[in-house]
Parts: sequence; structure tokens; C-alpha cells
Amino acid sequence: DAKTTQPPSMDCAEGRAANLPCNHSTISGNEYVYWYRQIHSQGPQYIIHGLKNNETNEMASLIITEDRKSSTLILPHATLRDTAVYYCILGVGAGSYQLTFGKGTKLSVIP
Amino acid sequence: GAVVSQHPSRVICKSGTSVKIECRSLDFQATTMFWYRQFPKQSLMLMATSNEGSKATYEQGVEKDKFLINHASLTLSTLTVTSAHPEDSSFYICSASPLNSPLHFGNGTRLTVT
Repeated sequence: DAKTTQPPSMDCAEGRAANLPCNHSTISGNEYVYWYRQIHSQGPQYIIHGLKNNETNEMASLIITEDRKSSTLILPHATLRDTAVYYCILGVGAGSYQLTFGKGTKLSVIP
Repeated sequence: GAVVSQHPSRVICKSGTSVKIECRSLDFQATTMFWYRQFPKQSLMLMATSNEGSKATYEQGVEKDKFLINHASLTLSTLTVTSAHPEDSSFYICSASPLNSPLHFGNGTRLTVT
């Protein structure tokens, strides 16, 4: 079973920030938080990952709470191409193998 | 960034035939690759772990004699669906990563068995 909980769906207006929450209250000390997204009929795309510090890259920002029991993926300016299923996944190590996918959040970016 | 390539992207085959799907790491070597399967409106499910130079490890409920995995080099793993049946129709996705880097996924293979 996936160790994360995400809302099944969210809407976001185009151009606005999309904030996708994830709960992982049973996270272990050596588990990283990974975010992937899957656009329809494609393989999952890596977005970002972090251990305990907030992270930012060209795609998104990841905010992890101090107790590490939850996190938020932020897409700063959502576009229609960001419509996808977003998966929050826990993985051991910075190079994580055997990722277990939950059901994710279906993000719909609305014009 | 790391690139994982899958081929073919789509395949249609008749019931009882076998289909081979290739997964290549284009710019890195991968001693381990992973094969996932995704049915419509469901999430990805890990089928097996492909190990270069040794036998694959299959997840519970996945028939190793039906889903043959060969990882003959550090850049290529193949999944062969033997004696395919309509219930094997699915989206098959492979993944791999360079050392100490996140997993990257191929673009998947849509298998339709008629």
C-alpha cells in the first residue's frame, strides 16, 4: 500500500499557483519525498524530491513540514500543459528504486 | 537529464502470440530496471525488477513464465509477454536511474491483444 495520502482531484486556474498537498505521517527518517506526474498516455515524469529541506527547481517547489509528516508541491504558474495526475511517493535514498505509486491527484488546469 | 527509451510505443497482437518490449537507458548504465503495468484508470503497479546479468525478481502475483525479462546489457532490458491474451492488454512502462539519481520512466508501451 502507498504510504501517502493525496486528494483525488483539484482544479487550478491557468496562470495561478497550484498547491498540491500530500500527507505522509508514517514517513521514516531515511525516506525522501518524491513527486512525479503522469500526463495522459505517457510515462511518469520526475518533478522534484527532498528529504527535509524545501527544494526548488525549474519545474516546481517542494515544501516539507518540519515534522516531515506532510508536504506541498507548488507549481508557481500553472499552464494547461500541467494538467496531469500528480503522485507523491516515498522512497529510500536519493536514488530511489521500487517506487510504489498511489492513486495521486488529478490536477485540472482550467483556462 | 537521464533518458529512458521504450519501443514500441504501441503494439497490437493476436491472442496466443508473443510480444517483446524493449527498454533502453540512453545516456547512462543501469544495472537495475523496473517494469510496471498500468490498467485503465488505475495507478502503476510494479511487475518486476530486472537485474543485469541475473534473474529478474517478480512481484507477487506476476507470472514469471508469462512475462519473460532479459537484462543482457547495462543499457537494455526486454519484457516479453508470452502467449498474450486480451486480459494482458495494458500500458507497460519501464524505469531506470543513474546511480544516486531519481527514477526516470520510459514513455510506455500500449499493448492491445485481440
